[in-house]
Order: sequence, then structure tokens, then C-alpha cells
Amino acid sequence: NAGVTQTPKFRVLKTGQSMTLLCAQDMNHEYMYWYRQDPGMGLRLIHYSVGEGTTAKGEVPDGYNVSRLKKQNFLLGLESAAPSQTSVYFCASEVVRGLGVYEQYFGPGTRLTVT
Amino acid sequence: DQQVKQNSPSLSVQEGRISILNCDYTNSMFDYFLWYKKYPAEGPTFLISISSIKDKNEDGRFTVFLNKSAKHLSLHIVPSQPGDSAVYFCAAETSGSRLTFGEGTQLTVNP
Repeated sequence: NAGVTQTPKFRVLKTGQSMTLLCAQDMNHEYMYWYRQDPGMGLRLIHYSVGEGTTAKGEVPDGYNVSRLKKQNFLLGLESAAPSQTSVYFCASEVVRGLGVYEQYFGPGTRLTVT
Repeated sequence: DQQVKQNSPSLSVQEGRISILNCDYTNSMFDYFLWYKKYPAEGPTFLISISSIKDKNEDGRFTVFLNKSAKHLSLHIVPSQPGDSAVYFCAAETSGSRLTFGEGTQLTVNP
């Protein structure tokens, strides 16, 4: 049981380039999330998915797209990278522990630098 | 609009003493609160949580206190150990909503 994995771990992009970050989970969780973490700002939600084939915008969705074609995978795409997207990206999947109680499991993160 | 705030970016304590990490929130609809711990180059991991119907939850060395009237929660670690050195994130949610995280507090426990 690998939990939540992210690919790649590191990436350097030039401004304007595109890339896709892959998140995979083997816990059969319905809900998956993409966050970015920046110094002094905690974790901010980019997009999330409540099930296969569904996606929704979070707090900071601009410049990103996502897809959830398979339940175990959640992809985050950057169409045209900008230096403001330099960040550490975390994927998470979520299990419902009880009525209204949710617990998230995080991947190890992807450190992205846009020059 | 930062609904969950951790006003101390860092905290340093001696091994064996108590660590107290604080978190304030503004949304009175939050009904579940969590603490996550994060080591460098790893993702956050769940540590402890508390429902709004309680004012205290204890798990080994970790205790979370909730003061609803003050919209404040705190995490106590007793006794603190060097392995507790990490960034601690406070998070809050309402039923059916997404988690809202605080900025994080870097805890350093000195041997």
C-alpha cells in the first residue's frame, strides 16, 4: 500500500512551457485534491475532485487545469508556466471517517521552479 | 481573507518541556479542527483532531484544546522531543466543505 504518490519530485520549467503533475492513490478514495504551498501562506487549494470524471475549482485555480479520468489518478496541468507558479505542490486524497469528518492523506510533494 | 491563522511562524523549546502551538479562526461555522505535521521534503501527515462538540482531545503526548468562544485552538506536546521538530499546520472545516489551512508554525525542539 503506497498511499499517495506524486510524479515528478522536482522540475524546472522555463516561462511559457507546459507540464503535467501526476498524483496516484491506491486507497480507493473518492476525493482528491491539489494544493500549493508557499512560504508564509500555508496550503492553498488549487482544484479538487469528488470522484472519477469530476473536478472543481479551489481557492487559486487560475493557470491550472486538472483531470480525473481514473479514480486512482488526479492530474494537474500547467498550460503556460509563469514564475508565480514556482511552489511546492501537494496532492491529497481523502477518506470520510464519520458524519462530516474528513481526513486527508498527502503525497510527498513536487517542487516546481519556473524561471 | 485568512480564516485560519497561526500567528507564530516559529517556536523553539527545550527537550522535555512543553510545546504550545496556537491557532485562531474567524469562521464560526467550522465544526472540525485538525493538526498536521510536516517534515522537510515530505507531505503533511495527520496528527490529531477535535470536533467542535468537545473542548479537549488527547492522544499520548499530544493534546488539542478548543475554545469556541474565543475561536482559538492549541496543540500541546508534552514532553517535547527533538523528533517533534517539524512544521505544524492547523486546519479547519465545516461538514461537507474543504479544509482551510493555517500558515504553519515551525517547531524546533533543542536537545
